[in-house]
Amino acid sequence: QKEVEQNSGPLSVPEGAIASLNCTYSDRGSQSFFWYRQYSGKSPELIMSIYSNGDKEDGRFTAQLNKASQYVSLLIRDSQPSDSATYLCAVLNTGGFKTIFGAGTRLFVKA
Amino acid sequence: DTAVSQTPKYLVTQMGNDKSIKCEQNLGHDTMYWYKQDSKKFLKIMFSYNNKELIINETVPNRFSPKSPDKAHLNLHINSLELGDSAVYFCASRPDNNSPLHFGNGTRLTVT
Repeated sequence: QKEVEQNSGPLSVPEGAIASLNCTYSDRGSQSFFWYRQYSGKSPELIMSIYSNGDKEDGRFTAQLNKASQYVSLLIRDSQPSDSATYLCAVLNTGGFKTIFGAGTRLFVKA
Repeated sequence: DTAVSQTPKYLVTQMGNDKSIKCEQNLGHDTMYWYKQDSKKFLKIMFSYNNKELIINETVPNRFSPKSPDKAHLNLHINSLELGDSAVYFCASRPDNNSPLHFGNGTRLTVT
């Protein structure tokens, strides 16, 4: 089992729709979770951090965490073509020394 | 500007050569990392230093040797380069164990 698993996609949604990105992780002791966006040829940039169970909203982005199910998700509302990128789920391992990344989900938003 | 900066941005070299990548952060962070991103975009941790001390050394060939002269700098030296070393190498830093990573712009290494 991979430490952090994501559906590689590609996920294609029309402009204005909700994009839903999912991630599961194997380390039950993990306490910190992040979503990064990476445009082609660029470095990953942080878009959301989440540490507690439930939802966390920031603008058009909502992160959801369920530690019992070892599941993290990211919702993007009113998707825009500029949201087209690879989204990386990242999990801090128990002890907090290592940030482990999923393989990323490619999102395409069609105008 | 506060940032994590890496040099060079691009590095093209032949098999068997030795090369170095440099990283500097002016964010005042204690912990720095090297990650490798392969052609499938998978980001894999290689090394981590906390205040000049090596704390993570993943199963990386010993041709790769990190060096941290001070807590603001983390360099990566690669000996006897192989074709499979071609990738993008990212430097990153963070202030504490719960915080997200701040990435540099990456170094695209191509070994021919």
